[in-house]
Amino acid sequence: EPEVTQTPSHQVTQMGQEVILRCVPISNHLYFYWYRQILGQKVEFLVSFYNNEISEKSEIFDDRFSVERPDGSNFTLKIRSTKLEDSAMYFCASSEVSPLRSPGELFFGEGSRLTVL
Amino acid sequence: DAKTTQPPSMDCAEGRAANLPCNHSTISGNEYVYWYRQIHSQGPQYIIHGLKNNETNEMASLIITEDRKSSTLILPHATLRDTAVYYCIVTYNNDMRFGAGTRLTVKP
Repeated sequence: EPEVTQTPSHQVTQMGQEVILRCVPISNHLYFYWYRQILGQKVEFLVSFYNNEISEKSEIFDDRFSVERPDGSNFTLKIRSTKLEDSAMYFCASSEVSPLRSPGELFFGEGSRLTVL
Repeated sequence: DAKTTQPPSMDCAEGRAANLPCNHSTISGNEYVYWYRQIHSQGPQYIIHGLKNNETNEMASLIITEDRKSSTLILPHATLRDTAVYYCIVTYNNDMRFGAGTRLTVKP
């Protein structure tokens, strides 16, 4: 069964450093998402991405955050100048259905745990 | 923020049906009801969705009231592996915004 894969599974970084979290969406999917979940809290929407541009972003997705689809398979989340409060599990998701038509299911990866020290 | 209200926790006996309620009194006519679950700290997993009619798939059934202001997710024969946080989401597109959900504990 096709799945969304994420790397690394766990990344530890020093405050102020830059991190890149990588995701390989399901191959025929065209809509991509990042969510995060701080330990013990709810899953929070960060950003949605389609056709090489951001469709929507939340207030969490500030200027330190960026997303990119550098090639036909990867979808990355970059966080610059990391802060302690960026420590969380980051989930990538993808969908083959246009959100402008009728909703479809999102397929989530297993997450990348980011720890900022 | 989330447009749904769910009980914070529920218990269910293994092998029995688990009925998880969700209130969405402000739902709009073009909004769907989605259910996802999250087992431990894994990525959320899609379960089922519906607009007006009741829906059933291999995982669960979704019962939506006629006025669409509430719904119930039914796991017909709960197993220990169904222990998870269950999220009810109302959306007209793929914009899934998760609330606190219901923590379902299936007990032997």
